[in-house]
Amino acid sequence: GIQVEQSPPDLILQEGANSTLRCNFSDSVNNLQWFHQNPWGQLINLFYIPSGTKQNGRLSATTVATERYSLLYISSSQTTDSGVYFCAGENYGQNFVFGPGTRLSVLP
Amino acid sequence: DTGVSQNPRHKITKRGQNVTFRCDPISEHNRLYWYRQTLGQGPEFLTYFQNEAQLEKSRLLSDRFSAERPKGSFSTLEIQRTEQGDSAMYLCASSLTSVLAGAGEQYFGPGTRLTVT
Repeated sequence: GIQVEQSPPDLILQEGANSTLRCNFSDSVNNLQWFHQNPWGQLINLFYIPSGTKQNGRLSATTVATERYSLLYISSSQTTDSGVYFCAGENYGQNFVFGPGTRLSVLP
Repeated sequence: DTGVSQNPRHKITKRGQNVTFRCDPISEHNRLYWYRQTLGQGPEFLTYFQNEAQLEKSRLLSDRFSAERPKGSFSTLEIQRTEQGDSAMYLCASSLTSVLAGAGEQYFGPGTRLTVT
């Protein structure tokens, strides 16, 4: 199956700062999602983005499928953005594979 | 629609006991997945169903684990003779698959946290 890498593994920001999280895949994917896992363990869907760019409020994501990576942008970060961010992808019928996550801490 | 639900939310059991978890997917979704997540790791795929058919099982799913989706709606995951290494968060997800959309976007339930003492 595919391998998924995420960087950075940990990120500490001051409230109001911007950040970029990256996800690299070892092979092409036809199904790619970004999630935020809150402190209670709930995985919250952020983006379903096999290719292209999407924006939702302060968050946006870009996937460059031909180069097998995706980026998640967080602007004007808030303390409620803290948690773990996962990307996950599926390679044409294979299992959905998660990356190890980026742990984000936003300080007031 | 209320989303994916899982019960129980927490389960504490003694080693050697059997446990069963339930997942109710989003009603119109035809695909249902089970994942396991241990502390500090991303979720790992266990198995999935397309309607009532179990189409794939991970090597993580030992013979002590069994999953069913008898009528293509809710699913159960049973662990027999639990071991301390089974302690984890068990997550369920569902999606709507189609020829056009492919596997579709997955939506996750709140998980069942299992502690084996």
